[in-house]
Amino acid sequence: DTGVSQNPRHKITKRGQNVTFRCDPISEHNRLYWYRQTLGQGPEFLTYFQNEAQLEKSRLLSDRFSAERPKGSFSTLEIQRTEQGDSAMYLCASSFLGQVTDTQYFGPGTRLTVL
Amino acid sequence: DQQVKQNSPSLSVQEGRISILNCDYTNSMFDYFLWYKKYPAEGPTFLISISSIKDKNEDGRFTVFLNKSAKHLSLHIVPSQPGDSAVYFCAASGLGRNSGGYQKVTFGTGTKLQVIP
Repeated sequence: DTGVSQNPRHKITKRGQNVTFRCDPISEHNRLYWYRQTLGQGPEFLTYFQNEAQLEKSRLLSDRFSAERPKGSFSTLEIQRTEQGDSAMYLCASSFLGQVTDTQYFGPGTRLTVL
Repeated sequence: DQQVKQNSPSLSVQEGRISILNCDYTNSMFDYFLWYKKYPAEGPTFLISISSIKDKNEDGRFTVFLNKSAKHLSLHIVPSQPGDSAVYFCAASGLGRNSGGYQKVTFGTGTKLQVIP
């Protein structure tokens, strides 16, 4: 290892379908983040976990979005009833609690296309 | 409200010359600043950072300068190489609203650097 891994790398779905993405952080990292990035923009924060606890959620995270990190290791991000506006790159990042500063390391992302 | 601004969407530099990428921020609570590099179809890669207690941090060809009074930071790459061609994101960090010392990171919109051989 290895850095942060994300699966799948690409997902094409039809509007109204549910999708789930997985993120595996760097093994010793106990903080995990989800971001969304659209064309021409920087990553936008969605949610944050410290171990298995989801401590912060952005207003961007509508009721159709849910994230889990059940054992404090990998995380999943589910989008229900997808809409075309959900098309974006979904990025996962991790960092280590205990550092003075919070340098986040990103995975390659999952590109979602909603038709 | 864009709290971290990168006003130059693109920059072209000749190989061997200096690349200067600029970033402005508005939130005085930010106390840690980062630069990330992003190639197409990849996630952002951490490049260099600086704490608000410093005004300069250097790592090889990369130097970040912080001017707190102007709320401005810049990334200098010298000498620039073709492999440096990528999108560069400026990011700023400050304490989030929850416990645990979490520092929420806010990103700029990026500057696309092209280094011409």
